[in-house]
Amino acid sequence: LAKTTQPISMDSYEGQEVNITCSHNNIATNDYITWYQQFPSQGPRFIIQGYKTKVTNEVASLFIPADRKSSTLSLPRVSLSDTAVYYCLPVTSGTYKYIFGTGTRLKVLA
Amino acid sequence: GAGVSQSPSNKVTEKGKDVELRCDPISGHTALYWYRQSLGQGLEFLIYFQGNSAPDKSGLPSDRFSAERTGGSVSTLTIQRTQQEDSAVYLCASSLGLAGRSSYEQYFGPGTRLTVT
Repeated sequence: LAKTTQPISMDSYEGQEVNITCSHNNIATNDYITWYQQFPSQGPRFIIQGYKTKVTNEVASLFIPADRKSSTLSLPRVSLSDTAVYYCLPVTSGTYKYIFGTGTRLKVLA
Repeated sequence: GAGVSQSPSNKVTEKGKDVELRCDPISGHTALYWYRQSLGQGLEFLIYFQGNSAPDKSGLPSDRFSAERTGGSVSTLTIQRTQQEDSAVYLCASSLGLAGRSSYEQYFGPGTRLTVT
């Protein structure tokens, strides 16, 4: 399976918009891409999922371009409490493996 | 409602001993997942159950690892003859399962921290 890669780390300031990109291959048209947030000493927590164009919920947006070889998690106006590690999870149909991306450590500065 | 629970929360064992880790998924969740996370590292997929069946066991790191699920509920991950490199946090997750090509949100437990001395 191709590796799903993310930037290792990002720094941002409070109130800024943060965009984290996940690069993945072999995603079919209707396969979903899911994003999770993980705080230290906790299990990951679901943020958002989608399979095409743009999805928005109360905490984030997810952008998926037409070629579906990447996706971008957008966090509007981050706060200190958004400091965490963010993982993408492309779910490829026909497989029984769930391979998370490499993870992006986001640090939000005051 | 209750979330995913795992036991024990911490386990210290001597090299060469067997350990058993338990996961209680959310009631009604047919899909169950095991992951491993070494200190400061990402999430390593181990195995997925749909009901009591694990269609693909190739994610298990070695033949010392095995997993089972009974009654479509509780799952145990067993590590035989533990090695120091097995030290990690073992995370369990559950979800409603798969429907067509959709993906259901995984709910994670707090994990079991395994230390092999």
